[in-house]
Amino acid sequence: ETGVTQTPRHLVMGMTNKKSLKCEQHLGHNAMYWYKQSAKKPLELMFVYNFKEQTENNSVPSRFSPECPNSSHLFLHLHTLQPEDSALYLCASSQGAGTNTYEQYFGPGTRLTVT
Amino acid sequence: GQQVMQIPQYQHVQEGEDFTTYCNSSTTLSNIQWYKQRPGGHPVFLIQLVKSGEVKKQKRLTFQFGEAKKNSSLHITATQTTDVGTYFCAGGMLNSGNTPLVFGKGTRLSVIA
Repeated sequence: ETGVTQTPRHLVMGMTNKKSLKCEQHLGHNAMYWYKQSAKKPLELMFVYNFKEQTENNSVPSRFSPECPNSSHLFLHLHTLQPEDSALYLCASSQGAGTNTYEQYFGPGTRLTVT
Repeated sequence: GQQVMQIPQYQHVQEGEDFTTYCNSSTTLSNIQWYKQRPGGHPVFLIQLVKSGEVKKQKRLTFQFGEAKKNSSLHITATQTTDVGTYFCAGGMLNSGNTPLVFGKGTRLSVIA
């Protein structure tokens, strides 16, 4: 499946580094999501964008900064992360977001390790 | 916040045995979705149920949505090694505004050949 792509697939960074995760969807969807997946919380929603507007921010620390320049691209900017931020970061997209929920299509994820 | 509870957390079965995972919400759902994540992979959409009491089948998989639209189940008949993975339910919340699906914690299925 190549509908949702994520880069890089693996990332190792120090706590003082700044890095960005990229997600691109080729499905013509209007909503995009960032999830964090770890052993403690299998699928933890971080951010939701619907028609490029951020509609959800689930109390995510400010060291995670999302950016959605258009409906096809989503970034997650990372800075001064902590070791407990090590996890699989999944991007997803759907036709829309809201009460008429649509299925979500996930990218392969970025495996992040913070040293 | 709103939660969707899923049990069991883990299930180990012999190949050929049946498997069921259950999903429960304290509030009425607008719909329920099921996803499968293979080891090392990402969640993949399986199915969506919308109507009260709805039952859908995909080969050996049977999905049910409760009459009250608060619970759901996924049943696999005669498991195979290809069924290995984590199965997530995700509930669509009523009056959610732009709040998307709420995922359960998943049931990890192991199949012993």
